[in-house]
Amino acid sequence: EAGVTQFPSHSVIEKGQTVTLRCDPISGHDNLYWYRRVMGKEIKFLLHFVKESKQDESGMPNNRFLAERTGGTYSTLKVQPAELEDSGVYFCASSLAGQELFFGSGTQLSVL
Amino acid sequence: KNEVEQSPQNLTAQEGEFITINCSYSVGISALHWLQQHPGGGIVSLFMLSSGKKKHGRLIATINIQEKHSSLHITASHPRDSAVYICAVRGTNFGNEKLTFGTGTRLTIIP
Repeated sequence: EAGVTQFPSHSVIEKGQTVTLRCDPISGHDNLYWYRRVMGKEIKFLLHFVKESKQDESGMPNNRFLAERTGGTYSTLKVQPAELEDSGVYFCASSLAGQELFFGSGTQLSVL
Repeated sequence: KNEVEQSPQNLTAQEGEFITINCSYSVGISALHWLQQHPGGGIVSLFMLSSGKKKHGRLIATINIQEKHSSLHITASHPRDSAVYICAVRGTNFGNEKLTFGTGTRLTIIP
C-alpha cells in the first residue's frame, strides 16, 4: 500500500510567486496534518483536517496560506504570494483517529 | 521555553555504544511519539506510547507520565542509526491530535 505522498519534493520560486504543494494521504485516513520546519527550528503544526473539514488551523502563519481538502482525499497547500520567510520543509502526515501518524517525505520550498 | 525539550542536541558515538536520547515535556499529553529522519529523507514514526515501555529491535522507548519524561535507547548502535531523532507529544483534547515537536537530536555513529 502506498504511504503518504507529497509533491513536488523540491520547489524553488521567487518572492511574490505562487506555489501549491500537494499531499496524498494513506487511503482511508480521515486525519491529515500539515507541518513545517523552517531552518534551524523545530517542526511546527500548521493545520489539521478531518475528512474535508478544517479541525484546527491555528498554526497557519497568515492569510497568504490556503489549505484545501476537497472531497476528503488529497490536500493542497497554496502560498500566495510567497515570501522569503516561507522557505522550509513542509510535511504532510495522515492517520486514523488516535492511531499512529504516517509522514510524507516533505516538500523543500525555497523562496528566493 | 519550548513545551518539548530534547537532550542532547547533538550526539556522536562509536559503533556498538549504547545510546540514550532524552525528552521532557511540560504539557499534558495523550501520547508521545519518537520519530526518525535520515539526511534528505522523510520522517518515520518509531514509537507511539502513552505509558511504560516499548521495544522494536534494537530500539527501546520508555515514558514516565508522572515525571513528564521519555527516553529513547539504541543498543549496539550502528552507523545506519545516524539520523535526527525527534520527540513529539500529542495533546489531550479529544479530536485534536496535532503534535508539538522537540528540536531533535542529531545522532552520528562512527564506524
